[in-house]
Amino acid sequence: NAGVTQTPKFQVLKTGQSMTLQCAQDMNHNSMYWYRQDPGMGLRLIYYSASEGTTDKGEVPNGYNVSRLNKREFSLRLESAAPSQTSVYFCASSEGDRGPSYSNQPQHFGDGTRLSIL
Amino acid sequence: EDQVTQSPEALRLQEGESSSLNCSYTVSGLRGLFWYRQDPGKGPEFLFTLYSAGEEKEKERLKATLTKKESFLHITAPKPEDSATYLCAVRSMIYNQGGKLIFGQGTELSVKP
Repeated sequence: NAGVTQTPKFQVLKTGQSMTLQCAQDMNHNSMYWYRQDPGMGLRLIYYSASEGTTDKGEVPNGYNVSRLNKREFSLRLESAAPSQTSVYFCASSEGDRGPSYSNQPQHFGDGTRLSIL
Repeated sequence: EDQVTQSPEALRLQEGESSSLNCSYTVSGLRGLFWYRQDPGKGPEFLFTLYSAGEEKEKERLKATLTKKESFLHITAPKPEDSATYLCAVRSMIYNQGGKLIFGQGTELSVKP
């Protein structure tokens, strides 16, 4: 009963290095999301993919890129890591939002990637 | 601008001492309000969805209620295993939001035996 799986669970980078955070879901969900969670800031949306083949910016997209590889997988890339990107990153998925009358399904989260940038 | 504010930031209770957590929201047409529980080192776990004012949902010792401006999460006779951070989030009616959620900062609940 995997749900949303994120890899790696922990990572330490040096400033300027790049890396990709991986996310996969096995619930056949249409929509996927990347958040960061910082103390006192709550969960903030970085990027989302409403459906396969589409991606859109969220609240804090600067310094990140995403790829919706297929319906199951949604990756987040840091091209040149900065200390301000030290955070816990969460991936989520949901049935999706196909219009005002579509069912209002909750998002389901993975257990996060804890990223430190020195 | 859509906004969610939760209070208090932290709450310490004795086992069996009932209380409530508050979630105040401002949104461009509420499509749904969601409550999540988050344990340390884990991702948020979905608890409830509320859609319209007056609606109530229950699960074990938790009961969520909704008005036009706020939601309450009532905890009746809590146990130590209820200790967690409780998150509130709202979804707007605006379609091009892509099902996005706006989260509050959470209430950290600690229940002592």
